[in-house]
Amino acid sequence: EVQLVESGGGLIQPGGSLRLSCAASGFTVSRNYMSWVRQAPGKGLECVSVIYGGSGTYYADSVKGRFTISRDNSKNTLYLQMNSLRAEDTAVYYCARVVVPAASSSLWFDSWGQGTLVTVSS
Amino acid sequence: SYVLTQPPSVSVAPGKTARITCGGNNIGSKSVHWYQQKPGQAPVLVTYYDSDRPSGIPERFSGSNSGNTATLTISRVEAGDEADYYCQVWYSSSNHPVVFGGGTKLTVL
Repeated sequence: EVQLVESGGGLIQPGGSLRLSCAASGFTVSRNYMSWVRQAPGKGLECVSVIYGGSGTYYADSVKGRFTISRDNSKNTLYLQMNSLRAEDTAVYYCARVVVPAASSSLWFDSWGQGTLVTVSS
Repeated sequence: SYVLTQPPSVSVAPGKTARITCGGNNIGSKSVHWYQQKPGQAPVLVTYYDSDRPSGIPERFSGSNSGNTATLTISRVEAGDEADYYCQVWYSSSNHPVVFGGGTKLTVL
């Protein structure tokens, strides 16, 4: 059974840093594309980062230069390092497994964690 | 960037059919995926590739996509279907390739 468990969220002051973790089980993180998707209070879904096969990455403009996605294959865990946090980064952050079928021009998220809340406030 | 437009809300009586639309320029040329999100819970994939269902998703959930509109159809609606629904596409030509619609709140009357 695929499981994703996020941790590391909390209350942080503007300008501060946090590292989110996503422990995976039931599949191998290194063999899959993985993503972080966030949801601000009362708002919709926003994909903030994707890590592709190898070392390729994608970042939304809103977080580029401040957030870094990575994975530890030995721990089967995905991370999101968040620096220079702003009030507008306040959201629930979900870890999600990405499906990209071979020879496909599409991508979707087939498994999600329960989310971890990040609150940026003084 | 590519924009997906969903109605903010849809209401339906139990046992009836709900249709939730997702509009986008020539969206029929792309694959559309739909997610259900109940209050306080993570999103759940309910259809992918326009109309395929993951295992465990009832046949009552179906999708279609043509022209400028994709549609998620929920037949024989139950109280437990009340949730927010989001459409999503991969727009590879964009610097922002993962696009979500704004979401639709389905209310079961």
